[in-house]
Amino acid sequence: DTAVSQTPKYLVTQMGNDKSIKCEQNLGHDTMYWYKQDSKKFLKIMFSYNNKELIINETVPNRFSPKSPDKAHLNLHINSLELGDSAVYFCASSNTYTDTQYFGPGTRLTVL
Amino acid sequence: GQNIDQPTEMTATEGAIVQINCTYQTSGFNGLFWYQQHAGEAPTFLSYNVLDGLEEKGRFSSFLSRSKGYSYLLLKELQMKDSASYLCAVRDNYGQNFVFGPGTRLSVLP
Repeated sequence: DTAVSQTPKYLVTQMGNDKSIKCEQNLGHDTMYWYKQDSKKFLKIMFSYNNKELIINETVPNRFSPKSPDKAHLNLHINSLELGDSAVYFCASSNTYTDTQYFGPGTRLTVL
Repeated sequence: GQNIDQPTEMTATEGAIVQINCTYQTSGFNGLFWYQQHAGEAPTFLSYNVLDGLEEKGRFSSFLSRSKGYSYLLLKELQMKDSASYLCAVRDNYGQNFVFGPGTRLSVLP
């Protein structure tokens, strides 16, 4: 019954590694998002993607790349991880850009 | 630029009413959202305003004044489980960018 799911829930890795976080939604939504929530609890949008259009927040380093194999999935791939990437990453989905977003449970990434 | 302000923390007593304010200055406006986030959990949707006025949903109400760049979330009959962070978010004209405020941490005391 989970609407938006993410894996893994926790991710601990070394600086310089490459990692991916997976997101799946079973709501039939056509738009998905990735957010980063840092230690100060600020929630910042990283990407929005609606199967045709990828909108990238200009402040996101190009080490971050979203990959969408189909409408129900939007994975986040991160290259050359840095200490500052440590945060909680939330996936969300909505029905077009005009509707409410539903968030996944989050992935807590710790870079050592 | 885009800027959203909320008080950092608020405290209220169980059974009371609390109003959480949000002011915004964004490049375009296409709706304002309120989300609730308990510690260690994902944000969950509370309310949405796109026109001026008050939207009521049970114990929760949200107000919007577009001309003033101002919104508030009103919580009535506070319960202990209402202790959480409350996030104000604005969607821009193109609907593709959401800007979240810093959140207001509400503590409900017995």
